[in-house]
Amino acid sequence: EADIYQTPRYLVIGTGKKITLECSQTMGHDKMYWYQQDPGMELHLIHYSYGVNSTEKGDLSSESTVSRIRTEHFPLTLESARPSHTSQYLCASSESRQGGEKLFFGSGTQLSVL
Amino acid sequence: GDSVTQMEGPVTLSEEAFLTINCTYTATGYPSLFWYVQYPGEGLQLLLKATKADDKGSNKGFEATYRKETTSFHLEKGSVQVSDSAVYFCALSQAQKLVFGQGTRLTINP
Repeated sequence: EADIYQTPRYLVIGTGKKITLECSQTMGHDKMYWYQQDPGMELHLIHYSYGVNSTEKGDLSSESTVSRIRTEHFPLTLESARPSHTSQYLCASSESRQGGEKLFFGSGTQLSVL
Repeated sequence: GDSVTQMEGPVTLSEEAFLTINCTYTATGYPSLFWYVQYPGEGLQLLLKATKADDKGSNKGFEATYRKETTSFHLEKGSVQVSDSAVYFCALSQAQKLVFGQGTRLTINP
């Protein structure tokens, strides 16, 4: 059973507000990821981290930022939300094992920016 | 770069029908292959995986065989249920990164 949690589950917010999406995992995984999922369902990697104090941008350019001060915590921040940021945001963590990465996903945060 | 291409959806079937969702990949080397499932309102869950050529992954009645010669990893199930309605993602793992296909929405009608 995966132990990775995202809050809030849903967020509706006005343009220009600063928001932080929380993601925590209790599995001790070093690797964590943020994906943005558009209404067409496709997943786009926007940030990842291979450990504390390590963060990298993903394949899709994003105005959001992330931090990794603790192994279990990987929050995503938008300094000034815009309607174009409306999307589903999925956090994941992984364990490396023989046979490649196995990702565990949170339930996601559905963000709507008005 | 590495990529995964899935059968376009949405797919709608009747209960007990046979299911195939096609998946092909492009990669250098020998990636591991996965199918993830996303039920409504939830995150993704690993459904099955295969780590080398000719391996067959299976779970919950679903199967997929790693075919290196055709670079494919098609998902199959002999008799689908309404509870199988979800979005299915094919993915490959290489160099510590997971690359996803675009997803296929499956709806099963009673």
